[in-house]
Amino acid sequence: DIQMTQSPSSLSAYLGDRVTITCRASQNITNYLNWYRQTPGRAPNLLIHTAHSLHVGAPARYSGGGSGTEFTLTISTLHPEDFATYYCQQSYATPYTFGQGIKLE
Amino acid sequence: EVQLVESGGGLVQPGGSLRLSCVASGFTFSSYAMHWVRQAPGKGLEYVSAIDSIGFSTYYASSVQGRFTLSRDNSKDTVYLQMDSLRPEDTALYYCARGVLGAGLDYWGHGSLVTVSS
Repeated sequence: DIQMTQSPSSLSAYLGDRVTITCRASQNITNYLNWYRQTPGRAPNLLIHTAHSLHVGAPARYSGGGSGTEFTLTISTLHPEDFATYYCQQSYATPYTFGQGIKLE
Repeated sequence: EVQLVESGGGLVQPGGSLRLSCVASGFTFSSYAMHWVRQAPGKGLEYVSAIDSIGFSTYYASSVQGRFTLSRDNSKDTVYLQMDSLRPEDTALYYCARGVLGAGLDYWGHGSLVTVSS
């Protein structure tokens, strides 16, 4: 199975900050990398798919980068609803494994 | 509007069985693969199972292989997750999600809670 590792393990920030989260895959997954945001008590929401593409309806302050084994999710300006847990997921090969999640506080 | 509604969860004893259902609406169900992801209390997301658009091909995580069976009925816009030989470590909120090939899980249900305990 492809292992997905997110860093940092947790992150503290303030409203209006710019933050970047990193995800590393244990092997080359080209651009088959997706990002989700999950708020407490809710299902995850797809933000970015195929590394760079903003999902329909996701806020434009989110952007994705990277390819191969290293990927980033950047939030340009933190809004209150962005204080949540973020997961990366590879969709290169089953099982479509997730990273361990990063809680933004 | 795309909607996915899970049902069938509950409390079951170790070794017991449950069948989860996920009813879809708002899109052409037979055109999409469907996936199940679970989340144990206070933990992260675990990918569980998937089925292709016509029900020909299925995938199972090693943690559930041989115990869970995924199927679909495209005439009813429904996917079913049959869970047998349940273990306490299967306790989780089970999400049904629509998959877009190579592009992630774009719509999710609200989840169905499964608790395995004596």
